[in-house]
Amino acid sequence: DAKTTQPPSMDCAEGRAANLPCNHSTISGNEYVYWYRQIHSQGPQYIIHGLKNNETNEMASLIITEDRKSSTLILPHATLRDTAVYYCIVGPNTNAGKSTFGDGTTLTVKP
Amino acid sequence: DAGVTQSPTHLIKTRGQQVTLRCSPKSGHDTVSWYQQALGQGPQFIFQYYEEEERQRGNFPDRFSGHQFPNYSSELNVNALLLGDSALYLCASSLEGVTDTQYFGPGTRLTVL
Repeated sequence: DAKTTQPPSMDCAEGRAANLPCNHSTISGNEYVYWYRQIHSQGPQYIIHGLKNNETNEMASLIITEDRKSSTLILPHATLRDTAVYYCIVGPNTNAGKSTFGDGTTLTVKP
Repeated sequence: DAGVTQSPTHLIKTRGQQVTLRCSPKSGHDTVSWYQQALGQGPQFIFQYYEEEERQRGNFPDRFSGHQFPNYSSELNVNALLLGDSALYLCASSLEGVTDTQYFGPGTRLTVL
């Protein structure tokens, strides 16, 4: 069973920030939050991950609440090419590999 | 730097047949995981290979088996195919002891008729 809960779909206007929420209320102390996205007919692509501090890279920012029970992925300036299914998963940072993907959030960026 | 590659890209089989899918990991990676993704659903973990051995396994029957070679490439074998095995099969590679970040290949689309 997936250990995260995400809304099934979201829309965002091109050029605006896209904020994708994820609930992971049963996360344990050594588990990280990972975000991947999957553009139609391609393999998932790693975006970002974090433990408890907020993280930022060239693709996105990850905001994790202080109690670590939820997080938000932020795409600061969404483009049409950001239209994809976004997956939030939790797992240890030890190459366990057994990632449990839920059904993700389908983000549609509209012009 | 070559990413994860998979072959073939598409495959059509009939019920009862056997299939072998292949994966070459990203350069420098030593761990390979396989996932099954049914239409409209998220990827489901099948198993992971490290040092040529199956290290972890998801909730899949023994009809699903695999192998990892000394060059870290991997195969996924499925015997006695069922209609329900029709899916996108994804291979992901990672580097042991560094991070759990996985790099996925484009997948193999298997259709069972």
